[in-house]
Amino acid sequence: AQKVTQAQTEISVVEKEDVTLDCVYETRDTTYYLFWYKQPPSGELVFLIRRNSFDEQNEISGRYSWNFQKSTSSFNFTITASQVVDSAVYFCALSEPYNQGGKLIFGQGTELSVKP
Amino acid sequence: DTEVTQTPKHLVMGMTNKKSLKCEQHMGHRAMYWYKQKAKKPPELMFVYSYEKLSINESVPSRFSPECPNSSLLNLHLHALQPEDSALYLCASSQGNSGGARDEQFFGPGTRLTVL
Repeated sequence: AQKVTQAQTEISVVEKEDVTLDCVYETRDTTYYLFWYKQPPSGELVFLIRRNSFDEQNEISGRYSWNFQKSTSSFNFTITASQVVDSAVYFCALSEPYNQGGKLIFGQGTELSVKP
Repeated sequence: DTEVTQTPKHLVMGMTNKKSLKCEQHMGHRAMYWYKQKAKKPPELMFVYSYEKLSINESVPSRFSPECPNSSLLNLHLHALQPEDSALYLCASSQGNSGGARDEQFFGPGTRLTVL
């Protein structure tokens, strides 16, 4: 069965600290896609990144970076020099294969609180 | 235009009322989704429309009735809801060209529904 685990329910940091959000996934498929979404208090989920199972290159986008390791089935997300605006709930998600219509399997989410 | 809009933002209804939630996108996306999200939980998929046809119904009770009048619009008709149906209802869309699995989903801000 496909499953996404975000073991950290809540994380609290002080501004400018680096923080890593963990994501571990389970799937029997060889082709799959992993996503991170941010949900600020306003409610709208914002797409951050997609990674396919054949691309293990790490990604950096400004203060955000992602570490994808198939050997440990992990897709971790690091925010460098965190800011108050980073406070949100972050969801990691796994996409089922082609014939499942793009259903996203979400983790339980990690609520990040960045204090000034 | 990279926006998914939803109306209304807030809705309060009694258990005997009939109401509708509306979702609109103008990105040319061919897949549209309804999710339900309870507090402190990840979004739960309810329905997926692909090319204006219902492709996934996640065993949602019949008091929720989706409708896709055209490729830009998605409605969710509500009738005889229960208090436990109170939640944030999110609409999303994606390109949908490749079966959906690899596509990032763009989410609207949601409708916060309260059933009295």
